[in-house]
Amino acid sequence: EVQLVESGGGLVQPGGSLRLSCAASGFTFSSYWMSWVRQAPGKGLEWVANIKQDGSEKYYVDSVKGRFTISRDNAKNSLYLQMNSLRAEDTAVYYCARDNLASFDYWGQGTLVTVSS
Amino acid sequence: SYVLTQPPSVSVAPGQTARITCGGNNIGSKSVHWYQQKPGQAPVLVVYDDSDRPSGIPERFSGSNSGNTATLTISRVEAGDEADYYCQVWDSSSDHPHVVFGGGTKLTVL
Repeated sequence: EVQLVESGGGLVQPGGSLRLSCAASGFTFSSYWMSWVRQAPGKGLEWVANIKQDGSEKYYVDSVKGRFTISRDNAKNSLYLQMNSLRAEDTAVYYCARDNLASFDYWGQGTLVTVSS
Repeated sequence: SYVLTQPPSVSVAPGQTARITCGGNNIGSKSVHWYQQKPGQAPVLVVYDDSDRPSGIPERFSGSNSGNTATLTISRVEAGDEADYYCQVWDSSSDHPHVVFGGGTKLTVL
């Protein structure tokens, strides 16, 4: 059974940093692109970033470029999102999702990030 | 950047057919994927590559894509279909390819 479990969310002050993790199981993690998708309270889905199987390609939504870094450790079946210089508008539930030929066929349950003083 | 436009809401009576549209410039040339999201839950893929269904998704869910509009059709709507629905594409037209979601459509079952 495919499982994606996010962790690392919480309350952080504006300008602060947070690192999200996503533990994957039930599939060959190293064979798939992976993505982070977020959803602000009461709003729609917004793709944040994705990373190729071997980490050699990474893409970001413009609003997080230079502040967020996506990475992965295939030996640990884990996906990460390092978030720096956080802003109030980054407040959202962050989902880890498996990218299967450009659609997201499995999602985690999400982890809430709140940026507030 | 590429924009996907969905109606904010669609209402339908039980047993009827719901059609949720997703508009985009020449969207017919792209593969469109659809997600269902119920309150407090993660999204679920219900249609991929315009019209294919993942295993476990009822045949009542179908999709089409042509010209500037993609459509998710839900036949014989049930109360349990009430949810937010999002369309999504992969936009590789620029020098920095990225994923685009539509704004979402709230399906209300009357």
